[in-house]
Amino acid sequence: DGGITQSPKYLFRKEGQNVTLSCEQNLNHDAMYWYRQDPGQGLRLIYYSQIVNDFQKGDIAEGYSVSREKKESFPLTVTSAQKNPTAFYLCASSPVGRTEAFFGQGTRLTVV
Amino acid sequence: AQTVTQSQPEMSVQEAETVTLSCTYDTSESNYYLFWYKQPPSRQMILVIRQEAYKQQNATENRFSVNFQKAAKSFSLKISDSQLGDTAMYFCAFMNPQGSNYKLTFGKGTLLTVNP
Repeated sequence: DGGITQSPKYLFRKEGQNVTLSCEQNLNHDAMYWYRQDPGQGLRLIYYSQIVNDFQKGDIAEGYSVSREKKESFPLTVTSAQKNPTAFYLCASSPVGRTEAFFGQGTRLTVV
Repeated sequence: AQTVTQSQPEMSVQEAETVTLSCTYDTSESNYYLFWYKQPPSRQMILVIRQEAYKQQNATENRFSVNFQKAAKSFSLKISDSQLGDTAMYFCAFMNPQGSNYKLTFGKGTLLTVNP
């Protein structure tokens, strides 16, 4: 089945550690996105990529990093510089020229 | 920058009744799209309905319809014959396509509860 897979579903890390969230898609979509969801805040864009080896900062990129070495994969690293990393993270993708975004099932990150 | 405002943090409706969720947005762009997404307790984001700004006709998808008032920058969602499965968080979202960039700007959401 085609879709977007985020792993793991739940992730716990100690404060000060970097952590990488996985996002893989087999939809052959060119564009991929990372959003952060906090209670009462809706979804906010962290990073997006329109093509392999290229990505742009979104509205809240500080403390995060990404890579896009393969079309199918867009991992997000939450660094120790992110001051409040506990949140729900959603990955999405979309085909070129289409407005519909397809979302993964999300990763709940808890930093203790 | 575009902003999307959902003024109702929570709403409730009785099963089989009709409910309307409000959304307003601010933009200086003329070419854009508006969306309603549903996020049930599973947290999977599901596209409910899409409206293209240049189309005057309001979009409909089965029990879901929108009231798009372009001049007022208003985009409300009407759910008819509400069902228990409609219980979810609903997000209004805005997109201004630029080149191949199709990023979404979301409102803060409205939590809808359908009561039996």
